[in-house]
Amino acid sequence: GAGVSQSPRYKVAKRGQDVALRCDPISGHVSLFWYQQALGQGPEFLTYFQNEAQLDKSGLPSDRFFAERPEGSVSTLKIQRTQQEDSAVYLCASSLERSSYEQYFGPGTRLTVT
Amino acid sequence: EDKVVQSPLSLVVHEGDTVTLNCSYEVTNFRSLLWYKQEKKAPTFLFMLTSSGIEKKSGRLSSILDKKELSSILNITATQTGDSAIYLCAQYSGNTGKLIFGQGTTLQVKP
Repeated sequence: GAGVSQSPRYKVAKRGQDVALRCDPISGHVSLFWYQQALGQGPEFLTYFQNEAQLDKSGLPSDRFFAERPEGSVSTLKIQRTQQEDSAVYLCASSLERSSYEQYFGPGTRLTVT
Repeated sequence: EDKVVQSPLSLVVHEGDTVTLNCSYEVTNFRSLLWYKQEKKAPTFLFMLTSSGIEKKSGRLSSILDKKELSSILNITATQTGDSAIYLCAQYSGNTGKLIFGQGTTLQVKP
């Protein structure tokens, strides 16, 4: 089935490296969300897109984090100069409508910063 | 600040037991409360609760919301090893659609 896909599934980066995480939402879904899930914690909201517009980036932990969705479909979360505290699973979710609770999650990207 | 708290954080039971997971919330713009099951990576949707006192049921799982107490419970009866997972509670405010999650309850069901 055509669910939300994310790549890579696993990423190991050395401290200081830049990484780019990709999310392919379900086709036609208007809303796209990024969440960060640290080990033993629930997901925490990072940012939200409605089509190509980034309407909420209040959860991005620092200016090293940047997200884009230039054509309103695929989204990329970029982390510059990675730090050990960035190690987490990064989840992407999409929903068909604006402000919909019914979010479909991807499998996540596990980022380990060494 | 909006907050969702779950208890217990972890639970170990044997097959056939009944479990109750708790979720409490403090939110300024409450719309709905959701429960998810997380195996491996992707959370999968279980229930959405908006009205107080109305039980939602799906097979052996059921959930109910108490708006007066700002809480919800998720019940699983006759547990099976396949119920082993992290159960997440989340509040949905509706402004932008972002979900505010609790820290999750890790359930392990032993044969």
